[in-house]
Amino acid sequence: DAGVIQSPRHEVTEMGQEVTLRCKPISGHDYLFWYRQTMMRGLELLIYFNNNVPIDDSGMPEDRFSAKMPNASFSTLKIQPSEPRDSAVYFCASGYRDRGSLLGARRGYLKAFFGQGTRLTVV
Amino acid sequence: QKEVEQDPGPLSVPEGAIVSLNCTYSNSAFQYFMWYRQYSRKGPELLMYTYSSGNKEDGRFTAQVDKSSKYISLFIRDSQPSDSATYLCAMSGDSNYQLIWGAGTKLIIKP
Repeated sequence: DAGVIQSPRHEVTEMGQEVTLRCKPISGHDYLFWYRQTMMRGLELLIYFNNNVPIDDSGMPEDRFSAKMPNASFSTLKIQPSEPRDSAVYFCASGYRDRGSLLGARRGYLKAFFGQGTRLTVV
Repeated sequence: QKEVEQDPGPLSVPEGAIVSLNCTYSNSAFQYFMWYRQYSRKGPELLMYTYSSGNKEDGRFTAQVDKSSKYISLFIRDSQPSDSATYLCAMSGDSNYQLIWGAGTKLIIKP
């Protein structure tokens, strides 16, 4: 498997423009996460899906951000309009619940696999 | 106060040294504890995971959880320059899968 695939790898855009980030999760994974990483704030969860359904979008900064997962093999994160403070590395991760050898673990833990990220610069 | 505290470093040690990386947390509901490694300009990759308290060993890596102190550690034995990366701790409870992340510690292994 090629892993989680994100595109583009780099994006430079002007303030006010629409930006669309794309993600192809690993086949068979039923969870998908969008994260943003900056030096100041570290790794922040924006939204996550389970079986293509958005479960928690409380991390989405504001209405300028939206995410969709139309099917199990594709998701997008859109920023419209973009602002310089949106500059960051955006990661998509897919995963599944794994109880593995965790004796006593009631639900298992989420084994997440990250893509290479999209480095977004808004000027 | 953040739910998970992790010293951002950088932590610089000579090759071959034993490295200790740590996180403290405040939420007693956390049950799953993970360590991710992130190389420069790459996404984080899962290194180790543990459930509840105890130790887990995998090659040169040992993960340790002390729930009574709300303290987790990752030990790296015989450290190599290729171990130079940022190490992030992450944890979650049993009720949902939202991971709570530490800030990450940048580790530098000097040849």
